[in-house]
Amino acid sequence: AQKITQTQPGMFVQEKEAVTLDCTYDTSDQSYGLFWYKQPSSGEMIFLIYQGSYDEQNATEGRYSLNFQKARKSANLVISASQLGDSAMYFCAMREIAGTASKLTFGTGTRLQVTL
Amino acid sequence: NAGVTQTPKFRVLKTGQSMTLLCAQDMNHEYMYWYRQDPGMGLRLIHYSVGEGTTAKGEVPDGYNVSRLKKQNFLLGLESAAPSQTSVYFCASSYGPYTGELFFGEGSRLTVL
Repeated sequence: AQKITQTQPGMFVQEKEAVTLDCTYDTSDQSYGLFWYKQPSSGEMIFLIYQGSYDEQNATEGRYSLNFQKARKSANLVISASQLGDSAMYFCAMREIAGTASKLTFGTGTRLQVTL
Repeated sequence: NAGVTQTPKFRVLKTGQSMTLLCAQDMNHEYMYWYRQDPGMGLRLIHYSVGEGTTAKGEVPDGYNVSRLKKQNFLLGLESAAPSQTSVYFCASSYGPYTGELFFGEGSRLTVL
């Protein structure tokens, strides 16, 4: 079973609008972390935001916020006031911890295109 | 501040050839990872290491070997390259299991003909 599911292969949003990128996850662990990374066309992986499973408040970083709904096992990324530079691939990832092992599992990504 | 450095950035191999990708980090991180990225499949974990001298298999380990002889270096080896190993390879590191983000290298594009 997929541990991280991103159901939107591609999304379009107009500049200055808000957009939500969906992510659902599957784990039986109580302690885990959820991440979002951005990958522009240049290829590097850029960390955006992190949410721990015990964090009661949704994480925010500037224009990025993570809509964490634990019961639904969803961790959607909200980008407010989209900019042309936000056009990129976005990956949701989950960190599970088993003993001393810690692995980050990625979803298949959503390609966001910001239009004028 | 170098962060995570991968070498080489690009490489073309013939089927059956061997090569090693080097990942070096200068952040004194304990955890290091090798991922491969293929179109439509996101990043998949090949092998990882939780400290010097330790390695473990990830999701897609077949055809690859790794070594972590020094804390700052994590090597990924292909003993006999196959066209299915054509991919972009990313190395990443983190301080520990409970800390935040992974720090990624810039990626290495490998083509196997």
